[in-house]
Order: sequence, then C-alpha cells, then structure tokens
Amino acid sequence: GEDVEQSLFLSVREGDSSVINCTYTDSSSTYLYWYKQEPGAGLQLLTYIFSNMDMKQDQRLTVLLNKKDKHLSLRIADTQTGDSAIYFCAESRDDYKLSFGAGTTVTVRA
Amino acid sequence: DTAVSQTPKYLVTQMGNDKSIKCEQNLGHDTMYWYKQDSKKFLKIMFSYNNKELIINETVPNRFSPKSPDKAHLNLHINSLELGDSAVYFCASSQGGTASTDTQYFGPGTRLTVL
Repeated sequence: GEDVEQSLFLSVREGDSSVINCTYTDSSSTYLYWYKQEPGAGLQLLTYIFSNMDMKQDQRLTVLLNKKDKHLSLRIADTQTGDSAIYFCAESRDDYKLSFGAGTTVTVRA
Repeated sequence: DTAVSQTPKYLVTQMGNDKSIKCEQNLGHDTMYWYKQDSKKFLKIMFSYNNKELIINETVPNRFSPKSPDKAHLNLHINSLELGDSAVYFCASSQGGTASTDTQYFGPGTRLTVL
C-alpha cells in the first residue's frame, strides 16, 4: 500500500495502551477502516470511521481522524495478549476499491 | 454460521498446474472481491464482481480468471501456476454500493503454496 502507510511493528506491555498510526493520501476517501488479522486467520473488521467524524469510540477502541493531515490512529486501551495481531488501516477509494496499508504487527508482552 | 467462506483453506500444488479456489457468502451481498496477500502481508485487490458482473480487474495476469455463477459465489481459477503465485488469497463481500459507503467482510483466506 504505497497510498496508505503504517509503521510495521509495535511492542506494548500488557495493560498499557497501544496506539497504531496510519497516513493516507486520498482526501476523497469517505470511510476509513481498521482490520485485525490474527496469526493464520482472515481479516476481521474492527471498526471504521466516516470522514466527517473526528473520533469514534467502541469499548476499548478509539479511532481518531485528522482529515487535514490525512492521519488516522487506533488506540487500544488496556491491551491484552489477545490483541497481538496485525492491524491494517484501509481507505475506501472510488469504484469499490479498498486500499490497505502494509499492516502493523502488534506484540503484547507480559 | 460463516458469513464468507472459502475452500480450500490450504492448497499445495506443483508449478504448471491449474487450480481453483471457491468463495461463498451468505450475507445477501451484491459485491464480491478477491485480494492477494503476499509474504510481506501486503494486501492488494485483484477482482471485484457486482451482481455477477466484473467491475474491477486490476493488473493481474491472464492466468487468473474469476467466475461468478451467481451473486453469492465468486470462484478464482488459476492456470499454469507459478512460484510467484504463492500467497494467501482472501475473498470478501460487501452490500453493493460504492466502496466509500460499503463495508467489506473477509473470508478466512486460502494459503496457496506452489512448489
């Protein structure tokens, strides 16, 4: 995903907050998504945010969107071992296309 | 009940063979997709069908041919498999609007290994 960029790795201690950052390029993107991929598994939709929103909260997940800077972040509060996975940021494009970032591998250590 | 299912989950085959991966969704969605995830976890769309019609065809070799017998199924047929085809292939579906308003739900993936 050259149009969507994410840092590749994040290590966090159990119980701490994790923040995963993403930048995108298409200012016309209407929805931005976070997907989670556990080892050997498929992609699970975690949450999404509409581009006219700044923030969305869903239990332990908080999504922040800075449309001016085209920056999206996902905060996971009280990170647990089950949160260890790859997290993909994705932006919706025209014509049914989703453009994904390369994924951030989150490792939760005890 | 699995919303988007794929078969097989694993596929190991020799170079030069022809193979198919099947995808089915029971969500009543109109649009289905195939994505390829390479060894670096990079995901890229390959094809999309809306109501059995091809609407996205990215730069994919002609050896790859999607087939949609009905809107609940989108199969991927690959001819003359090459080593570089080794990847995880994900099927997805969405309600049918434009991607900007349309959440995609993914299948569990098919890990293809070409020897």
